[in-house]
Amino acid sequence: EDKVVQSPLSLVVHEGDTVTLNCSYEVTNFRSLLWYKQEKKAPTFLFMLTSSGIEKKSGRLSSILDKKELSSILNITATQTGDSAIYLCAGTPNNDMRFGAGTRLTVKP
Amino acid sequence: NAGVTQTPKFQVLKTGQSMTLQCAQDMNHEYMSWYRQDPGMGLRLIHYSVGAGITDQGEVPNGYNVSRSTTEDFPLRLLSAAPSQTSVYFCASSSTSGGGYTQYFGPGTRLTVL
Repeated sequence: EDKVVQSPLSLVVHEGDTVTLNCSYEVTNFRSLLWYKQEKKAPTFLFMLTSSGIEKKSGRLSSILDKKELSSILNITATQTGDSAIYLCAGTPNNDMRFGAGTRLTVKP
Repeated sequence: NAGVTQTPKFQVLKTGQSMTLQCAQDMNHEYMSWYRQDPGMGLRLIHYSVGAGITDQGEVPNGYNVSRSTTEDFPLRLLSAAPSQTSVYFCASSSTSGGGYTQYFGPGTRLTVL
């Protein structure tokens, strides 16, 4: 059975801290791993990772995939209160998608 | 561009009623999908479509039907609503054109089945 697990489930940090969110997957016919940010409404797409070891970066956010370890991390540097959200990852077996339960990040001023 | 639009935003149904959740996108994306989101369970894929006339089941398809007669529209039909279908439903569209990947979600429909 396809499965995506995220850790930690929740995290509280202070502004300026660096955080690392984890995502591990067991997905048959794996094609890609995706990261999303969800605030109060719909998820927003962040990254799609298909190749192992190649970092994707957008501002203070970066992510990398490790196909050998079946995992991915999402790093956020110099966190701001606006980074407070649920971060979701999803693995794609073919055109299907399997989401993790998410990591709730709270950034305190 | 309006992006991905969903209607209605809120809906209350009685058990056994049927209804259609509407989803439309104006970005000419080939891939469209429906998800439900329940507390503590992340998002689960219900159905998806890789182009007009082509649909397939996701992780939780039972009790739902879809069709894709045009590139723009991807309605989700609840055949006979059950309380277990109380959830927030998101529609999304995505594309891999231009060598990159983009995906956009609609604002969601909050459905309550009594």
